Order: sequence, then structure tokens, then C-alpha cells
Amino acid sequence: QKEVEQDPGPLSVPEGAIVSLNCTYSNSAFQYFMWYRQYSRKGPELLMYTYSSGNKEDGRFTAQVDKSSKYISLFIRDSQPSDSATYLCAMSASGGNYGQNFVFGPGTRLSVLP
Amino acid sequence: DTAVSQTPKYLVTQMGNDKSIKCEQNLGHDTMYWYKQDSKKFLKIMFSYNNKELIINETVPNRFSPKSPDKAHLNLHINSLELGDSAVYFCASSQVAGGTEAFFGQGTRLTVV
Repeated sequence: QKEVEQDPGPLSVPEGAIVSLNCTYSNSAFQYFMWYRQYSRKGPELLMYTYSSGNKEDGRFTAQVDKSSKYISLFIRDSQPSDSATYLCAMSASGGNYGQNFVFGPGTRLSVLP
Repeated sequence: DTAVSQTPKYLVTQMGNDKSIKCEQNLGHDTMYWYKQDSKKFLKIMFSYNNKELIINETVPNRFSPKSPDKAHLNLHINSLELGDSAVYFCASSQVAGGTEAFFGQGTRLTVV
């Protein structure tokens, strides 16, 4: 079993739809959770960061973490064509400890159709 | 002002050559990373340095050698390039190892022919 699983898509939605992107993971030590957006031929860009369980909202984006289920989600409201990109979840076991790094999911390719 | 910059952006080279990719961050972060992204977009850690000290060295052929002259720079040297080395290589940095967030460079697209 991979450490972080994510449906690779592609996922196509009409403009204005609510998009739900998800990752599951196996390492219960993970406590920092991130979502990155990557446009074609660009570097990953941090969208959301969450520590431990709970919700976090930033504009049209909401990140949810359920550590008991080892499941994280990113919701995009009122999706726009400019949201078309690959979305990568990432997580790490601990901040500040040597030897820890960010583990990424394989990414979900999203297309928002006008 | 670019936070994490890497050069070159594109690199096309022949099998057997030796090449280097440079990375610099101006965020004052202590930790820098090299990630490899394959054709399926999967990002995999290669190396991690904390304040010039190697802290992660994943299962990477020893043809790959990172060098960190100071905590703002992390270069990647690759000897005897092979076709399978073709990928996009990303440099990243974070305040602490595995810390709250990592910032990525724009990537170096390496093509070995």
C-alpha cells in the first residue's frame, strides 16, 4: 500500500461546480497536511495548509482533515476554468524533526469547463 | 523576487554526460530538498539538507550527488546520465525539516537523449 493515495483523475466539471478532491494515507504519524496546485510546466504552489484534524477555509477553498479516518479533502466552490490544474496533497510527520520530509500523493488532474 | 529559483529550466543532454542543476532560496529557510517528478506527475523525495547537512538520502543511484555550499543553496550533480533520468527535478525549501509548508522552484526539465 502506498503511503498516500489519491485518485489521479482526470476530473472534468462545469464552471461553477463544487469540486471535491481527496487523499487517504496510511501513516498515522502524519500531522501536517497541505494541498498544492500545479499548472502545466510549473512548480507546485501551496494552496492550503492544515495542522492535525479540522477544517480550514480560504476564499473558495476549504481543506478538511479527518485523522481518525486518515482522510483529507479539498473543496473548491464556484470552480473557474483557471482552477484547471493538477492538485497534489502532501503531508509530513512532524515539523522541526530531522529526517522528516513531505510525502506527496500522485495528484488529481482537474479540468473546469467553461 | 523569486523565492526558490533553479537553473537551468530546460536541459537536454546526451547519455553518459555529466550535468548540474543549481538551486537558490532567498526565504531564509534552513531546509532544502530535491524532488523528482516522473511522467505521471508523482513527486518523490531524493535528498533533504538541513543547514548544509544531509538528512535524507532516499534510494537514489550514487550517480546523483547533492552539494550544499551554504544553507541558501543546494545543487544537484548527475554523473553518467541515463535515459531513465529524464524527468522534472524540483528544488524546494521549508523553514524546518518536514515543517509547515514547502516552497518549490519552477523545476528543471531534464531530457536525456
